[in-house]
Amino acid sequence: SQLAEENSWALSVHEGESVTVNCSYKTSITALQWYRQKSGKGPAQLILIRSNEREKRNGRLRATLDTSSQSSSLSITATRCEDTAVYFCATGGSNNRIFFGDGTQLVVKP
Amino acid sequence: NAGVIQTPRHKVTGKGQEATLWCEPISGHSAVFWYRQTIVQGLEFLTYFRNQAPIDDSGMPKERFSAQMPNQSHSTLKIQSTQPQDSAVYLCASSLGPGTTNTEVFFGKGTRLTVV
Repeated sequence: SQLAEENSWALSVHEGESVTVNCSYKTSITALQWYRQKSGKGPAQLILIRSNEREKRNGRLRATLDTSSQSSSLSITATRCEDTAVYFCATGGSNNRIFFGDGTQLVVKP
Repeated sequence: NAGVIQTPRHKVTGKGQEATLWCEPISGHSAVFWYRQTIVQGLEFLTYFRNQAPIDDSGMPKERFSAQMPNQSHSTLKIQSTQPQDSAVYLCASSLGPGTTNTEVFFGKGTRLTVV
């Protein structure tokens, strides 16, 4: 079953623009993670936001968490071509599994 | 820190042959995970070791898949009698602590297995 799910299959922006990827999840969580996967690489964790946090930043990245609506967002400001990747949200399950959404493909055009 | 190292990066096997995939976790990490990634299924959990002990293998297809961690520096995923549906990218990951939901998890680049 899909415990975490991004709300868009694909997004496209031009360099310098801002973009937001949204995610919804189905269970109570202790933390939610955002990952980025570039072509030919494994996923790389971008931000881990705990259930008692509402917002977390990492450079040009900002994640929000709304436990009441079971949703999260990842915003990227001043996008660059190298931000082109698939972005996943992920939540934890039993026995420390991580359940990933299907991912949102972000394309940043020059 | 070279990160999580997976070898080989690409492997092609004939249907019915055996495939062994290797993973070297980050030194000092106590948790090691294996995931499988396909276009259709996305990222699927396979198995999890903590301090070399198998903790959860509920994602492993039971009959042909096995995973071991004989020492803290490497883990193997073995697939016997490979089938075309086993074609996927197999990802290994490690984390410092046991709780992946609250700790940073590092993934390797993966092994792309193609069964022909």
